[in-house]
Amino acid sequence: GAGVSQSPSNKVTEKGKDVELRCDPISGHTALYWYRQSLGQGLEFLIYFQGNSAPDKSGLPSDRFSAERTGGSVSTLTIQRTQQEDSAVYLCASSFPSGQKTGELFFGEGSRLTVL
Amino acid sequence: KQEVTQIPAALSVPEGENLVLNCSFTDSAIYNLQWFRQDPGKGLTSLLLIQSSQREQTSGRLNASLDKSSGRSTLYIAASQPGDSATYLCAVRPYGGSQGNLIFGKGTKLSVKP
Repeated sequence: GAGVSQSPSNKVTEKGKDVELRCDPISGHTALYWYRQSLGQGLEFLIYFQGNSAPDKSGLPSDRFSAERTGGSVSTLTIQRTQQEDSAVYLCASSFPSGQKTGELFFGEGSRLTVL
Repeated sequence: KQEVTQIPAALSVPEGENLVLNCSFTDSAIYNLQWFRQDPGKGLTSLLLIQSSQREQTSGRLNASLDKSSGRSTLYIAASQPGDSATYLCAVRPYGGSQGNLIFGKGTKLSVKP
């Protein structure tokens, strides 16, 4: 597609429910990133996919968070048993690998998650 | 540990002024540095990316410079306009470690008054 697409744009859920957030990267981008932005905070790295390599999950805050990337394209971030502190904007980005072309990141509009 | 700092946290200027936003980082071992703008409730829009071997990049009224040895980058905005009002973030991609873990500053919130 023309840009990084994320859905849903807004999600309100009750504490304890599971949520899935979707990211569709720019066609041809092999690198995909998930970040979280909480109110008044900077961007927090969550997980990074690069081609067929094992993902870097070092930023996931707990085992309630998981992500997968199917067919090297679309990615889904899943949060199980949501807590109020999970409320944030979840941002997805994609790029070519840093060693190819510029490695410039392009972000989607984000998914705003509110846990009541 | 790489840390990125942006000063000031907020800046208000009258329309037409030229201005400079600052970004500093503690470790010069970086692949590149990227500047973004973020409008309220929106994602990040890429403005400029400077590779570690470059000194500056220009796009329209924007010019970004990079001094790796001193750990600094500046974003120069010429003839500012109200539409430039947004939060500006810089991020470095460090060597080593996770290639996905770009380190972001907390941003400078710019307000350009008509």
